Amino acid sequence: DAGVTQSPTHLIKTRGQQVTLRCSPKSGHDTVSWYQQALGQGPQFIFQYYEEEERQRGNFPDRFSGHQYPNYSSELNVNALLLGDSALYLCASSLRQGPSGANVLTFGAGSRLTVL
Amino acid sequence: GDSVTQMEGPVTLSEEAFLTINCTYTATGYPSLFWYVQYPGEGLQLLLKATKADDKGSNKGFEATYRKETTSFHLEKGSVQVSDSAVYFCALRQGGKLIFGQGTELSVKP
Repeated sequence: DAGVTQSPTHLIKTRGQQVTLRCSPKSGHDTVSWYQQALGQGPQFIFQYYEEEERQRGNFPDRFSGHQYPNYSSELNVNALLLGDSALYLCASSLRQGPSGANVLTFGAGSRLTVL
Repeated sequence: GDSVTQMEGPVTLSEEAFLTINCTYTATGYPSLFWYVQYPGEGLQLLLKATKADDKGSNKGFEATYRKETTSFHLEKGSVQVSDSAVYFCALRQGGKLIFGQGTELSVKP
């Protein structure tokens, strides 16, 4: 049973560029969330997608946007990259509906973005 | 707003030592609480969880009890192994998102 898969695993960009990160959720999951983990810090919530719509958003600027496809896979887009966007970007999937405690997040291994 | 505070690391222990990693939270209501573990170069793995006061989560010898009166969810293990070396994150669930602490790095020496 495949878990959450993310691509690419590593990438390097320069300031001002744009990046797209991709995520395939765990089989059976319908909700995808994205987190940013700066070096030495805990992950911070960016946003969550369910039924192809952004349902909840953290404290991130509009440069961060996303998309969810009918097959539940998702993309995270970051425009006008800044040095401070360098981080590990984690995708997590879950099942929105279910018995209490069933909607536990399953995380992927992440995409490590370096902005030079 | 809601927040999670963990004891600072790194924590260095000898194999078979007792482990405690402190975690306290600030939240409205009674959120579900979690411990996640991150091994080098990997994503987060759920270690254990508790959904209501006095619940005890346990897994792989690790335990944590949801203490409403002290707003705490301390992680404990009676005898750590070298393979437990990782970064541990305490988190609470607020609606559809998790709020994480800053993480505590654990290093276990043989």
